[in-house]
Parts: sequence; C-alpha cells; structure tokens
Amino acid sequence: GAGVSQSPSNKVTEKGKDVELRCDPISGHTALYWYRQSLGQGLEFLIYFQGNSAPDKSGLPSDRFSAERTGGSVSTLTIQRTQQEDSAVYLCASSPDSSNTIYFGEGSWLTVV
Amino acid sequence: GQSLEQPSEVTAVEGAIVQINCTYQTSGFYGLSWYQQHDGGAPTFLSYNALDGLEETGRFSSFLSRSDSYGYLLLQELQMKDSASYFCAVKDPNTGGFKTIFGAGTRLFVKA
Repeated sequence: GAGVSQSPSNKVTEKGKDVELRCDPISGHTALYWYRQSLGQGLEFLIYFQGNSAPDKSGLPSDRFSAERTGGSVSTLTIQRTQQEDSAVYLCASSPDSSNTIYFGEGSWLTVV
Repeated sequence: GQSLEQPSEVTAVEGAIVQINCTYQTSGFYGLSWYQQHDGGAPTFLSYNALDGLEETGRFSSFLSRSDSYGYLLLQELQMKDSASYFCAVKDPNTGGFKTIFGAGTRLFVKA
C-alpha cells in the first residue's frame, strides 16, 4: 500500500511475555519514528531512525524496549517482559528525508493482561 | 531540551471560530506543525509554519510568532467532524532538525 503499515493492529498479551510490533514505512522514506500513546494522552516519542545514522533512542522508557530497522526500511519494536503499564497504542510514522510532514500508521493497540 | 504547552480541552459550538494556542521552548527552531487526530485514528498533518505570519488552508489557518515562541491553530466555520485532538509539534534541533516532538494535545469538542 501507499501508507505506513503496522502489524499487528491489535495484540493482547500476558504480563511477562515478549511482544514484537512491526512497521513498514512509506517506500523511499528515510526517517522512521515510534511513538507511544496511552488512552486520551499525547504522543510520547520513543525512538527515531534516520537513514544509516545511529538511532536516537532517548525516548525508550526502559531497557525492556528496543527497536531495529533492517535495510533502511522495515522496523520492529520489541518489548520484553511486558508490564501492564505498557498497554497503549504504538504508532509508527515515516517521513522523507527533508520534509516536515510525518505520516502515521494506524497503530498497534497493545493490551497487557 | 524542548517543551510545548497547549490547553488540554476547548469547547465551541458548530459554526463558530476556535483558536488553539501553543507555546514552545526549544534551543533552536525549525518550524511549528499541527496534526489532527480523531478518536481511534492516526494523527494526520494539518499545517506547518516556518516563518512568522498566517498560513491558510481552507477553514484552517495556522499562525506563528517566533519572537514570542508562540503559535496557534484557527478553525473557522466549525463542523461536528472537527471534534478531535489537535497537536502542535516541533523538530528537535539537537538531531539536525528531523526528530518531531509533540505537545500533549488539545481535545476539541464541537457542540450543536
């Protein structure tokens, strides 16, 4: 498709399990972002990839969170030993190298029970 | 670092005009953007101001004053479908102008 694609759209997991969330950015976009949004709250920056540069991981809330981007395209956000406070929507976004606009996917809704 | 402040909620009636303010603090500045998010949906881009003044796009306008570190989003002829959250955003100047940081969002309620 033409937009940012995320999977799964919904995920229910048990506390303590690991989860992987996937993001396919818009083709040709060199910048990729992960944000977290709790119900009714703002967009919390998690991590940012730009081309081949080292990612900006300054927003990751703990060492249970990690992300990688393979081949400058697809990205995976991994949450280890999930906790109930990890329940949120995880939004991926991408943008062209020099554009101000970022384009969001529909998000992965994570529920930890 | 950088921070953005915007009101948490605004209520207005259909057909009216509403202004959503945003103040920011950044060590550098690469422009102010606005995004709209309906419940359960993804944020979508509305407007961008790099220079002082007003940018108009249909019923929506956005204003920037760099000297005041202030901007606003103006929505005219409000419609029920404008009920949504509105986020202002800036680029983090520490990373070459690419990382986008969002305010906490303003929830707009449009009443009939």
